[in-house]
Amino acid sequence: AQSVSQHNHHVILSEAASLELGCNYSYGGTVNLFWYVQYPGQHLQLLLKYFSGDPLVKGIKGFEAEFIKSKFSFNLRKPSVQWSDTAEYFCAVNARGRAAGNKLTFGGGTRVLVKP
Amino acid sequence: DTAVSQTPKYLVTQMGNDKSIKCEQNLGHDTMYWYKQDSKKFLKIMFSYNNKELIINETVPNRFSPKSPDKAHLNLHINSLELGDSAVYFCASSPRDSEAFFGQGTRLTVV
Repeated sequence: AQSVSQHNHHVILSEAASLELGCNYSYGGTVNLFWYVQYPGQHLQLLLKYFSGDPLVKGIKGFEAEFIKSKFSFNLRKPSVQWSDTAEYFCAVNARGRAAGNKLTFGGGTRVLVKP
Repeated sequence: DTAVSQTPKYLVTQMGNDKSIKCEQNLGHDTMYWYKQDSKKFLKIMFSYNNKELIINETVPNRFSPKSPDKAHLNLHINSLELGDSAVYFCASSPRDSEAFFGQGTRLTVV
């Protein structure tokens, strides 16, 4: 069974600071990896995804993530955050293959508060 | 056009009642899901359907019964509601091995 862990539950930082959120997964096979964002009171929106190829992926709103296969990690980064980045961030894993059942498993989420 | 739509957006009901949440997607995806998000924002998959067939049924009380009349719809019926059922329920859909698209959520409050 796949599982996802996010290292930080809460992150508080000031505008223009850099952000890095950790994500590790466990699964023996091939996976697709995602970061979702949930702004206050809203639904989940996709920030970026990794299926294969270049392990450094760029997403919307200036976010990027790096897949390090040897570490089973998919950390999210943004060089300079804005107040509008205040949200809950979720890492997610989808194990590939019919046996996996197309199940998207989420980490526990990281609440990010950006102070103006 | 809303890709994944759920109704209602808010649902307040008394313990013991039976309620349903409806979900429809117009993306042509084969797979649909129900997720429960608790007060700590933890997201847990409840059910997954692929082309109207139940694929995933996590450890969910049998008071929760999903129904998929066609691959564009996945409804969730809950019997004998309990206080602990209060949460936000998200419907989602996805093509195989790809990202999920989420509905706006249904905030269920059981009083």
